[in-house]
Amino acid sequence: GAGVSQSPSNKVTEKGKDVELRCDPISGHTALYWYRQSLGQGLEFLIYFQGNSAPDKSGLPSDRFSAERTGGSVSTLTIQRTQQEDSAVYLCASSLARRTDTQYFGPGTRLTVL
Amino acid sequence: AQSVAQPEDQVNVAEGNPLTVKCTYSVSGNPYLFWYVQYPNRGLQFLLKYITGDNLVKGSYGFEAEFNKSQTSFHLKKPSALVSDSALYFCAVRELFNNAGNMLTFGGGTRLMVKP
Repeated sequence: GAGVSQSPSNKVTEKGKDVELRCDPISGHTALYWYRQSLGQGLEFLIYFQGNSAPDKSGLPSDRFSAERTGGSVSTLTIQRTQQEDSAVYLCASSLARRTDTQYFGPGTRLTVL
Repeated sequence: AQSVAQPEDQVNVAEGNPLTVKCTYSVSGNPYLFWYVQYPNRGLQFLLKYITGDNLVKGSYGFEAEFNKSQTSFHLKKPSALVSDSALYFCAVRELFNNAGNMLTFGGGTRLMVKP
């Protein structure tokens, strides 16, 4: 079946602009995660959605970052007023509900802030 | 808090030889442990996981890992390496309870280089 998809695959933007990154999880997966992969920081958790529960936003690095998940499916990660340090690969993953369930990752969006 | 250490930035091995990629973890409760592999310009691909039961876990592409509770380790192994195994490998942990387990915590990654 279809895996996790993300768009765009690459995004180049100018400092100060806003960007939106999209994630389409695997159908039927109630949990959705955003992670960031950068050279200096490795793989970092950003935000977690589980069903209709309030999201765990504890990994968001600043208030310029926000995410929503509409209808329990597609998610959008928004970065406002982008900074050069936001340059990274943003990875989305989805899973079934239990903590033992495997997270399946999308191909990522490479964000470059000039 | 949960954490993972991968002590080797890079592991070099000759094709056909056995390989080991090391991982140690720290959690306050019982751990769920995972290995992922990343090829260039690709997302993470799931290899295997330990949840409970047999300490030796077998996964995709001939890989296996052994959970050792006393040493808090979960090393990845393969009896005979292939050049195509060359990639970046990540170990990850997730706690059973509390909000720290709302996500995977990853190690820094180990680059595996398999030479012909």
